[in-house]
This record gives sequence, C-alpha cells and structure tokens, in this order.
Amino acid sequence: QVQLVESGGGLVKPGGSLRLSCAASGFTFSDYYMTWVRQAPGKGLEWVSSISSSGETIYFADSVQGRFTISRDNGKKSLYLQMNSLRVEDTAVYYCAREGGSYSFDSWGQGILVSVSS
Amino acid sequence: QSALTQPASVSGSPGQSITIACTGVGSDSDVGGYNYVSWYQHHPGKAPKLMIFEVNNRPSGVPHRFSGSNSGNTASLTISGLQAEDEADYYCISKRSTTTLAYVFGSGTKVTVL
Repeated sequence: QVQLVESGGGLVKPGGSLRLSCAASGFTFSDYYMTWVRQAPGKGLEWVSSISSSGETIYFADSVQGRFTISRDNGKKSLYLQMNSLRVEDTAVYYCAREGGSYSFDSWGQGILVSVSS
Repeated sequence: QSALTQPASVSGSPGQSITIACTGVGSDSDVGGYNYVSWYQHHPGKAPKLMIFEVNNRPSGVPHRFSGSNSGNTASLTISGLQAEDEADYYCISKRSTTTLAYVFGSGTKVTVL
C-alpha cells in the first residue's frame, strides 16, 4: 500500500527556515517523480516544486524560486523541501505527492502545517 | 505562472449532472495544447484524491459517474448522478508542456449537493 508521510512542519518566524520531509513506503520510490503542493488558509491548491526520479531535474513555482530547495534520498525513500527566507504568505498545509506516470498525482500525503508568524 | 480558471462554485441536487470547466489563461495555452489534464477531489482536512488523468481516464476505484473531456482551451469534469459524498472542492491540474516538470493548478471549484 502506497504511503506518504510528511513531517517537519511547525511555527517559524518570518525570515526563518524549515525543512520538510516526506517518507515513502509501499512502492519503489526511486522510480517516481515527486512533487510538493501547498494550500494556504482559505486558498486553493498550489504547485510548489517537482523533482525527477534521479533528482537531476528540478522545477519550482515562481513564488518560491530562490528560497526553497527540493531534494530526495532514494536510499532512504525520502523527499525533502528546504524552505529558507520564509514569508507570512508561505503559511500553508504542505503535501507531498507522487507523480503516477501519467503527469498526474496518484498518491498524496495527509499534509503538514507550516505557520510563518512573528 | 497563471492559474487555470474554474468557476468558484457549482451546485446540484442529488441525481443531477454537473460540469466543471477549467480554462487556460496563460499565453502557452496550458489546457488546450496538451492531453495532460487531471482532476482532483479534495475534502477539507484530507489528502486530495485523483479522479481523472490524461483528460478522460479514471483510476481504479473512481466511480463511473466521474468523466472528463477536453475541447479547445477548456477541460471539463462531469459528475453524472450527483451524490452527497461528491460535495467537495475540485481542482484541475495541467502540466505546462512536455518539456517541463512545472505544473499549473486550477483555481478550484466548490461543489455543493443541495
């Protein structure tokens, strides 16, 4: 059974940093592209970043470009999102998702809350 | 990265059919040019669920009352025979092009079952 579990969220001050992790199980992690998606309070879903199965190809949304870094450790079956220079508007529930081979996200984690506030 | 446009809300009575449109607004015609549109159902507090991929394909376990289509610059999700449990937020997503990992989300539609 495919399972994605996010961790590392919490409360951080503006300008601070946080690292999210997503632990994968139930599938061959190294075969799949992975993605981070977020939902700010009262807002819709927003694509944040995606990474290829090897980790060689990475894309970011304009809103986080230069501040966030995505990475993965295929040996540990884990996906990461390093978030630096956090802003109040980065407050959101962050989801990790698996790209299921049809340019769609067939499995999602339950999400982790990141709050940026002074 | 412009969002794809969806109606803010759509409602219907049990048993009725509703359709949610997803229109590309960017200059690179996110929706119409490529067959990589997917749809997601999102109940608040839960993980989003894939309902349709590649415009009109249903994953295993998704009821047949959910269907998708694409015409010109607009993708659509139709729910036929609306049921109470279909009340949720729905999002379309499109890959920006075949040469990028970047995606663009729709603005989201709240479906209410009257």
